[in-house]
Amino acid sequence: AQRVTQPEKLLSVFKGAPVELKCNYSYSGSPELFWYVQYSRQRLQLLLRHISRESIKGFTADLNKGETSFHLKKPFAQEEDSAMYYCALNWKGAQKLVFGQGTRLTINP
Amino acid sequence: NAGVTQTPKFQVLKTGQSMTLQCAQDMNHEYMSWYRQDPGMGLRLIHYSVGAGITDQGEVPNGYNVSRSTTEDFPLRLLSAAPSQTSVYFCASRLSGSANNEQFFGPGTRLTVL
Repeated sequence: AQRVTQPEKLLSVFKGAPVELKCNYSYSGSPELFWYVQYSRQRLQLLLRHISRESIKGFTADLNKGETSFHLKKPFAQEEDSAMYYCALNWKGAQKLVFGQGTRLTINP
Repeated sequence: NAGVTQTPKFQVLKTGQSMTLQCAQDMNHEYMSWYRQDPGMGLRLIHYSVGAGITDQGEVPNGYNVSRSTTEDFPLRLLSAAPSQTSVYFCASRLSGSANNEQFFGPGTRLTVL
């Protein structure tokens, strides 16, 4: 079955330190992966998608099919990065989006 | 554009009561969906619709009904509320066939069932 796993419920790092949020998936087809973010009192919104290979707000994520991972990385964390982050997988012809359990990231000053 | 709107923002029900969570979007999106968000479990898909008149079940459909009579609206009905349905509910929409498949989310409805 299609599954997305985010092993860390909570992650706390200091401002300026590197941050990595882990995401692993299980899917037999060709995956389409996303990172969504929910800042305090805001809506869930798309941060980035693997197909675009883009950097948004300093974040990047590389799809590693061998390790079935899509980890989110940022070299220097900022306080405004504190939020809830969800990794998500599209399957069944993009009709269903499966989310991981989420990681709450806190950036300490 | 208002985007995706949801009403109410908060609701308290007693066990056995029924209610409808409203969702509307003004972006002419064909695809709409409902999720519930629970601590430690992420977002789980309840029902989704690929267009007016077409709905299908997600991961956790039991206890919920949906219908899609118009492109704009996708209400979620709780037939007989149970404490296990206490959650935050999110509606989302996107264009079908969109190359990037980005989903746009509503602000959520926080439901408590006593």
